[in-house]
Amino acid sequence: AQRVTQPEKLLSVFKGAPVELKCNYSYSGSPELFWYVQYSRQRLQLLLRHISRESIKGFTADLNKGETSFHLKKPFAQEEDSAMYYCALSPNTGFQKLVFGTGTRLLVSP
Amino acid sequence: DAGVIQSPRHEVTEMGQEVTLRCKPISGHNSLFWYRQTMMRGLELLIYFNNNVPIDDSGMPEDRFSAKMPNASFSTLKIQPSEPRDSAVYFCASSFHTGNTIYFGEGSWLTVV
Repeated sequence: AQRVTQPEKLLSVFKGAPVELKCNYSYSGSPELFWYVQYSRQRLQLLLRHISRESIKGFTADLNKGETSFHLKKPFAQEEDSAMYYCALSPNTGFQKLVFGTGTRLLVSP
Repeated sequence: DAGVIQSPRHEVTEMGQEVTLRCKPISGHNSLFWYRQTMMRGLELLIYFNNNVPIDDSGMPEDRFSAKMPNASFSTLKIQPSEPRDSAVYFCASSFHTGNTIYFGEGSWLTVV
């Protein structure tokens, strides 16, 4: 079975502080991992995907297959980063289907 | 493209009433997904279609829920009869079959009183 775990419901930091949102997954195959962001009352948007190995809005995430983790990091948080962040897994079996974690709310205070 | 379009954006209904949520996927996309978002459970996949055919409906909570996709540009999620515990945000999403990025609509905020 596929499962995504985000252990923190809420992460509160001050502006300029480093941020790490944790994500662990369980899947027997080779999944694709994503981070989606949802700003207040807006639709979910793709933030980044592990196969792209890119940095979006200063965020990066590295897939660690040994630890089955895909933590999201940013060295200096900004107030506009405050949002709900969802880690998601796609089993990559041909049909595109995302299994989401329960999400972490990031609150960046001035 | 206007993206995935959902209606209604907000609905308040009384317990026992029928609720129909609608979705228009992005043109050309052939996979469509219905998700439910609640504070307690986060985002749950209810059902997804590929080329208008339901592929996996194991997330549909119970028989009160049903979903259809009569053509490539329209899908409905129906709840009959509705209950207060169905109150949630229902998201529709679509993607290309062979692509990875899933695009979400703005959601339908349902409140059952």
